[in-house]
Amino acid sequence: ETGVTQSPTHLIKTRGQQVTLRCSSQSGHNTVSWYQQALGQGPQFIFQYYREEENGRGNFPPRFSGLQFPNYSSELNVNALELDDSALYLCASSLGLAGRNEQFFGPGTRLTVL
Amino acid sequence: GENVEQHPSTLSVQEGDSAVIKCTYSDSASNYFPWYKQELGKGPQLIIDIRSNVGEKKDQRIAVTLNKTAKHFSLHITETQPEDSAVYFCAASIRGGNQFYFGTGTSLTVIP
Repeated sequence: ETGVTQSPTHLIKTRGQQVTLRCSSQSGHNTVSWYQQALGQGPQFIFQYYREEENGRGNFPPRFSGLQFPNYSSELNVNALELDDSALYLCASSLGLAGRNEQFFGPGTRLTVL
Repeated sequence: GENVEQHPSTLSVQEGDSAVIKCTYSDSASNYFPWYKQELGKGPQLIIDIRSNVGEKKDQRIAVTLNKTAKHFSLHITETQPEDSAVYFCAASIRGGNQFYFGTGTSLTVIP
């Protein structure tokens, strides 16, 4: 059984650019949640995908968008990058909706916006 | 939404001593409370969790207690070891909800 994987591990972008982060869920898990973790803070919920549909969104603007594919892997897209978007982006998968079931985190993608 | 507060933000203990981290939550509808350990450069790892129908849960050196009336829950680590050094996060989820609300983290250092 493979765990949650994320790519890339590190990324440097400039303000105004767009970025795509990728996540492969743990085998058998059909739900993926994305979190933003600023330095020294706890993870903040961005959104969740359950069976390819967005199912819940945190307090993030529409320039944060996502996708879930039939194999339950997922992408997080961020447009018009701002300096404050610099953070560790975490993906977590669960069997069933997060909030009701254990979720398992990947190692994260460290995004730096210059 | 839910608001989770966590204390202390930093904690240093001597190897072999106990460590206690406390969290409070605001929404009485919250019913699931996981604890995560995050080591440098890694994602959070679930170490123990508790549901609202249980007051205490133990797994070897780690235990979690829940007081629903006071809306607080705590992580207890006994016989601490240097490898316990990490950042610990508490979290809560609301019944029927679809997300976790995290505390701000506690950086635990176990001094050999």
